[in-house]
Amino acid sequence: NAGVTQTPKFQVLKTGQSMTLQCAQDMNHEYMSWYRQDPGMGLRLIHYSVGAGITDQGEVPNGYNVSRSTTEDFPLRLLSAAPSQTSVYFCASSYSAQPYTFGSGTRLTVV
Amino acid sequence: RKEVEQDPGPFNVPEGATVAFNCTYSNSASQSFFWYRQDCRKEPKLLMSVYSSGNEDGRFTAQLNRASQYISLLIRDSKLSDSATYLCVVTPSNTGKLIFGQGTTLQVKP
Repeated sequence: NAGVTQTPKFQVLKTGQSMTLQCAQDMNHEYMSWYRQDPGMGLRLIHYSVGAGITDQGEVPNGYNVSRSTTEDFPLRLLSAAPSQTSVYFCASSYSAQPYTFGSGTRLTVV
Repeated sequence: RKEVEQDPGPFNVPEGATVAFNCTYSNSASQSFFWYRQDCRKEPKLLMSVYSSGNEDGRFTAQLNRASQYISLLIRDSKLSDSATYLCVVTPSNTGKLIFGQGTTLQVKP
């Protein structure tokens, strides 16, 4: 039981490049979410999903896409990276109203 | 106004002190409440859930006041290892979302 696995752990992108941050969980959790955390700020919700095939926007969705084709996976796509997307990204999953479990994060730098 | 508000601190306390953190939330339909702990550059980890009746886990006590939309965390007999950022987290009903406060930083000194 690996919990929530995020890859990669570190990434440097050039402005305009695209990439996908991977998130997988093996706990059969229905809820999955992506957050970003910037210095001096709390975690802000990017996108979330309450089940396979269902996604919705959070507080800061612009510049990001998601899909949920399986219960296990919830990838986050950066369409055209910008320096403002330099951040630490956390994926989390949960079953119903239970506490969320977080992945260890992806540290992204856009230059 | 932010949905979840916390005093960011930092709180600097000596070992053995008792310290209390407060949090307010704006959405009265909020369903679940948690305190998470986050160490520098690491992922948040659940410290404890918060219930209307109040709950205790060792040196930690959490309280929820739904009428005032207020959540608290009390840490007794602070240890050096308690130094971290404490995040107040609220889940609006049936949304699958977590709404985070900014976090309160605690530094316990010898």
